[in-house]
Amino acid sequence: DTGVSQDPRHKITKRGQNVTFRCDPISEHNRLYWYRQTLGQGPEFLTYFQNEAQLEKSRLLSDRFSAERPKGSFSTLEIQRTEQGDSAMYLCASSFPSGAYNEQFFGPGTRLTVL
Amino acid sequence: DAKTTQPPSMDCAEGRAANLPCNHSTISGNEYVYWYRQIHSQGPQYIIHGLKNNETNEMASLIITEDRKSSTLILPHATLRDTAVYYCIVTKGGTSGSRLTFGEGTQLTVNP
Repeated sequence: DTGVSQDPRHKITKRGQNVTFRCDPISEHNRLYWYRQTLGQGPEFLTYFQNEAQLEKSRLLSDRFSAERPKGSFSTLEIQRTEQGDSAMYLCASSFPSGAYNEQFFGPGTRLTVL
Repeated sequence: DAKTTQPPSMDCAEGRAANLPCNHSTISGNEYVYWYRQIHSQGPQYIIHGLKNNETNEMASLIITEDRKSSTLILPHATLRDTAVYYCIVTKGGTSGSRLTFGEGTQLTVNP
């Protein structure tokens, strides 16, 4: 399967701990996006990369959140000093925009539960 | 990106056409209408997009009004597997587009 993969699929942590999620995009895609989704809501944009450059960050991305894409391939999203409000599904997507086309392919997500 | 308005829920009988409306009255000339859906506990899935002409692919048809202020996604023969939340999103296309702004979408339930 050559789709977007995310690891881990589920993470349970205690408040105050740090967590890191990984996303592997579709190999030829130069853009990688992170979204967060809470129960009953649509996904909310967090940040995106074009190759290794982080081009846009949402105001939702507080200073406890950091994302990297060091070689323009996989990406990591780290949350420091987790809070219960961080409990959500974290979704990664990738794309290769051209012409009018910018379909984003989403991974299955990482569900974070902060106790 | 322009804001979209969708009904919170709709029902459809299996085998019938499902017509999902979306209002986007503030859409700009260079913005496209995209549709995604999200089946429970999965990531969103792209369905179709269009600028001003009607579009059709193997999954669905997209009808955009002449003034581009609204659109309708049509699933011609809905199946139980089409039960999902459907999101209508307006965004710039190609390399000018970036984030997707999801609203709350329409929960479509296909009944046997």
